[in-house]
Amino acid sequence: GENVEQHPSTLSVQEGDSAVIKCTYSDSASNYFPWYKQELGKRPQLIIDIRSNVGEKKDQRIAVTLNKTAKHFSLHITETQPEDSAVYFCAATQSGGSYIPTFGRGTSLIVHP
Amino acid sequence: DTAVSQTPKYLVTQMGNDKSIKCEQNLGHDTMYWYKQDSKKFLKIMFSYNNKELIINETVPNRFSPKSPDKAHLNLHINSLELGDSAVYFCASSSTGARPQHFGDGTRLSIL
Repeated sequence: GENVEQHPSTLSVQEGDSAVIKCTYSDSASNYFPWYKQELGKRPQLIIDIRSNVGEKKDQRIAVTLNKTAKHFSLHITETQPEDSAVYFCAATQSGGSYIPTFGRGTSLIVHP
Repeated sequence: DTAVSQTPKYLVTQMGNDKSIKCEQNLGHDTMYWYKQDSKKFLKIMFSYNNKELIINETVPNRFSPKSPDKAHLNLHINSLELGDSAVYFCASSSTGARPQHFGDGTRLSIL
């Protein structure tokens, strides 16, 4: 089955700095890679996603990059703000079969004002 | 309008009891899921269900059983609750295929 590794488990930055969270996956059949943000006490919510036919996708201050050859993808947040503080989860979904996503273990991002 | 709604939001009960958590989605999705999130925040898939197939994570004890009266509802029934069942349980839904998941607000289960 698919295995997703996510690093770091905790990331502490100053407001205005950039933050990068990295994930690797094991199954080359995976072709959909969403990122979810979970604020304290809230539900996970999709913030950005990328499919395997695209190398990079941006949405304002967030971007995701995908390297299919190396089987890794990353979330980039620029000009971080205190409201970016949350747990971020990456996931990988295979192109066939059950389509059940495999989640990384999460990264706790803390943005200090 | 809440897209995926779960009830109750909090559930406090004693060891050995049986309890149910209800989930409903109004997004027209045909696949629903149950996740368990423990204190370390890991999201563990428990079940995936659509009108064709129930997929069970083999590590889930058979005390847990999903019940789906129709494609907009997937309830979770738990028998003989144990201390280790304390966690937040999230329901989610998606369209068929590799699509984003929409999560409910979660049910915090505490076992005394």
